[in-house]
Amino acid sequence: GAVVSQHPSRVICKSGTSVKIECRSLDFQATTMFWYRQFPKQSLMLMATSNEGSKATYEQGVEKDKFLINHASLTLSTLTVTSAHPEDSSFYICSARTDPNTGELFFGEGSRLTVL
Amino acid sequence: AQRVTQPEKLLSVFKGAPVELKCNYSYSGSPELFWYVQYSRQRLQLLLRHISRESIKGFTADLNKGETSFHLKKPFAQEEDSAMYYCALRGAGNQFYFGTGTSLTVIP
Repeated sequence: GAVVSQHPSRVICKSGTSVKIECRSLDFQATTMFWYRQFPKQSLMLMATSNEGSKATYEQGVEKDKFLINHASLTLSTLTVTSAHPEDSSFYICSARTDPNTGELFFGEGSRLTVL
Repeated sequence: AQRVTQPEKLLSVFKGAPVELKCNYSYSGSPELFWYVQYSRQRLQLLLRHISRESIKGFTADLNKGETSFHLKKPFAQEEDSAMYYCALRGAGNQFYFGTGTSLTVIP
């Protein structure tokens, strides 16, 4: 199957700093990628849909200025957590599709963010 | 608004016993539903989708529009089935919405 890779897998930062997480589709092009957030023992919460060459579509309740998404190429989407606070600590997962018609999502391994 | 509900957070069954993981959904349009699985230390991956009407690893799931359900079933559980299972709904905008997940443990 298709491979989606995230980097870094773990990051620790100080409160007030910004952190960038990368999501790459390694062997396919993805015009759309999805960013999820997962709290411990809870479900994946869709944060936003990243669209190549255009603005991301954010889900209700997700702060656009807090979670900046850039999808500059067909194989790379980035999520930047700006002015991070401890409550932003979470597991962030990206996913992408190879074919919009099949509907199958391929997931990255996730990135664990810890804000001190 | 769309919603996916998995009422059981934890489910334990003995090896060889039947297993059913429940999933109910709420969606105004025509739903497209999936089951994703996450084995220990691995990433999420697709198990099956309702439009395929297929059986994967012995699992099946039938979409019941009347009951708005998409329960996952397997007649004889195996130890390797122990994992986290997520039911997911694909919305009109091609976004996927996930349930809270059910952790299945198959007892040897």
